[in-house]
Amino acid sequence: EVQLVQSGAEVKKPGESLKISCKGSGYSFTNYSIGWVRQMPGKGLEWMGIIYPGDSDTRYRPSFQGQVTISADKSIRTAYLQWSSLKASDTATYYCARSVAGEYFDNWGQGTLVTVSS
Amino acid sequence: SYVLTQPPSVSVAPGQTARITCGGNNIGTKSVHWYQQKPGQAPVLVVYDDSDRPSGIPERFSGSNSGSTATLTISRVEVGDEADYYCQVWDSSGDHYVFGTGTKVTVL
Repeated sequence: EVQLVQSGAEVKKPGESLKISCKGSGYSFTNYSIGWVRQMPGKGLEWMGIIYPGDSDTRYRPSFQGQVTISADKSIRTAYLQWSSLKASDTATYYCARSVAGEYFDNWGQGTLVTVSS
Repeated sequence: SYVLTQPPSVSVAPGQTARITCGGNNIGTKSVHWYQQKPGQAPVLVVYDDSDRPSGIPERFSGSNSGSTATLTISRVEVGDEADYYCQVWDSSGDHYVFGTGTKVTVL
């Protein structure tokens, strides 16, 4: 069974750094890209970026380029999303999801709620 | 950038048919995928490549795509189908994934 298990909810202050994780199991981790999707409170889904763990090739939606960093450690089958300096506007639920054929997401993590507040 | 437009809401009575549209420029030339998201849960893929269903998704969920509109059809709607639904495409010109604006389906 394919599973993506994300790290737990976080409460941070503006300016702090954060790295959340997404661990894959039940499939060949290096053969499928992992995407990250943001959902702000009460809003829709926004694709942020994607990484191919096989070679760490990474692409970002332009509006997220430079704002976050996506990485992966294939030795422990885990992808990451990180911020160096959080803002209140980063408050959202973040989902990781497995991409199939570079077209769609067939399996999703349970989501990580990030709350940024002073 | 490529934009996908969905109606904000659709209301349907149990047992009836719900149709959710997704509009985009020449969307008929792209593969469209649909996700269901219930409150407090992660999205679930219900239709991919316009009209295919992942295993475990009921046959009541079907999709079509032509011209400038793709449609997700839910037949014999059940109370448990109440959720937000999102369409999605891969935009090769922008090299990124695009989600629709989302439609809230209410079962009356």
